[in-house]
Amino acid sequence: GAVVSQHPSWVICKSGTSVKIECRSLDFQATTMFWYRQFPKQSLMLMATSNEGSKATYEQGVEKDKFLINHASLTLSTLTVTSAHPEDSSFYICSAEDQGYEQYFGPGTRLTVT
Amino acid sequence: GEDVEQSLFLSVREGDSSVINCTYTDSSSTYLYWYKQEPGAGLQLLTYIFSNMDMKQDQRLTVLLNKKDKHLSLRIADTQTGDSAIYFCAESSSNTGKLIFGQGTTLQVKP
Repeated sequence: GAVVSQHPSWVICKSGTSVKIECRSLDFQATTMFWYRQFPKQSLMLMATSNEGSKATYEQGVEKDKFLINHASLTLSTLTVTSAHPEDSSFYICSAEDQGYEQYFGPGTRLTVT
Repeated sequence: GEDVEQSLFLSVREGDSSVINCTYTDSSSTYLYWYKQEPGAGLQLLTYIFSNMDMKQDQRLTVLLNKKDKHLSLRIADTQTGDSAIYFCAESSSNTGKLIFGQGTTLQVKP
């Protein structure tokens, strides 16, 4: 079956630093990948849609300069949280869409900003 | 706008059936999904139903769709402790194709 990986699975960083999270589709090509954010005991909130070779489309209220998304290849998208602050601490989940428009989710990355 | 609502918590005894309910607002949704999330993990697609279907069964899982009432349910037969997790329903937006998730229902299975 289709597998999506994320790296790292968890990361702790200091306030003011930047953190990069990778999302990879391991056995299929994904023209489109999605980035979600999930707060404890809450639902997934779509942050942005990432399309290979073009700029990401951000949802309303999501700062594009803070959450930089790069979809450089058909199997890799990265999310960089710039100048992270404690309020950016969250669970970040990516998904990758296959040719049949089905989304497969990564295992998530727990970010803690101290 | 598009919205998906779920009850937040359900507790059942092992061996009983669990029924998790969901309502949605987008009557044009093409697909409706059920995902399972275990603690600290991503989402696992359990099953989905096309909007022109009323029911779909897959082993212990039965999905019922009442399109008139915009109501979706997931029934888990013979619930096991390993079924304890958060269950999300989601609709595929007819406008954007994006997934709109409910708040998630925490299923607690007591031995």
